[in-house]
Amino acid sequence: DAEITQSPRHKITETGRQVTLACHQTWNHNNMFWYRQDLGHGLRLIHYSYGVHDTNKGEVSDGYSVSRSNTEDLPLTLESAASSQTSVYFCASSGSGGDGYTFGSGTRLTVV
Amino acid sequence: DQQVKQNSPSLSVQEGRISILNCDYTNSMFDYFLWYKKYPAEGPTFLISISSIKDKNEDGRFTVFLNKSAKHLSLHIVPSQPGDSAVYFCAAMGGYQKVTFGIGTKLQVIP
Repeated sequence: DAEITQSPRHKITETGRQVTLACHQTWNHNNMFWYRQDLGHGLRLIHYSYGVHDTNKGEVSDGYSVSRSNTEDLPLTLESAASSQTSVYFCASSGSGGDGYTFGSGTRLTVV
Repeated sequence: DQQVKQNSPSLSVQEGRISILNCDYTNSMFDYFLWYKKYPAEGPTFLISISSIKDKNEDGRFTVFLNKSAKHLSLHIVPSQPGDSAVYFCAAMGGYQKVTFGIGTKLQVIP
């Protein structure tokens, strides 16, 4: 069965460290997205990609970067982790049509 | 500026009764509206959607109603079951598959 997987599930890192969160999907979806979920804010879009070598900034992209070298993967990098980036991160993918996204199970990141 | 608003952070309903979750939006250009359900420690899962050209979509116990003039949609769950207890996100899709989410409503169904 097709799936979308995120790793690690939990991560603790120190302020200033570079951190990369992995997202891998086997749906063969062109579109991939990264969101963060915070209390009182719901899900906010960080970065997204419509295909290989395409990346775009979302509403809360500062301090984050992504790269898309193949269809299956969209890793999210925190260049220099900050305590404000403590959050739960969700990766999602989609094809076309109105059924929206398929989400991964999330990565809980704590920056200390 | 929140384009998708869920004004009720929580809702409690007795098992067997109807649950009604509400959502307002500000952008008339959205193509689809969606509801996602989220359990703790899991990713959101797609529940039901409605095209902007429709006013109702039904799937089993779940019905979504869209009132374009009021920029309002609602999700009805009938009958509510304890397994429906979760956070429900209202979402709207614009161009190029971009989805904007509300902040969520936590539904508790009391046995």
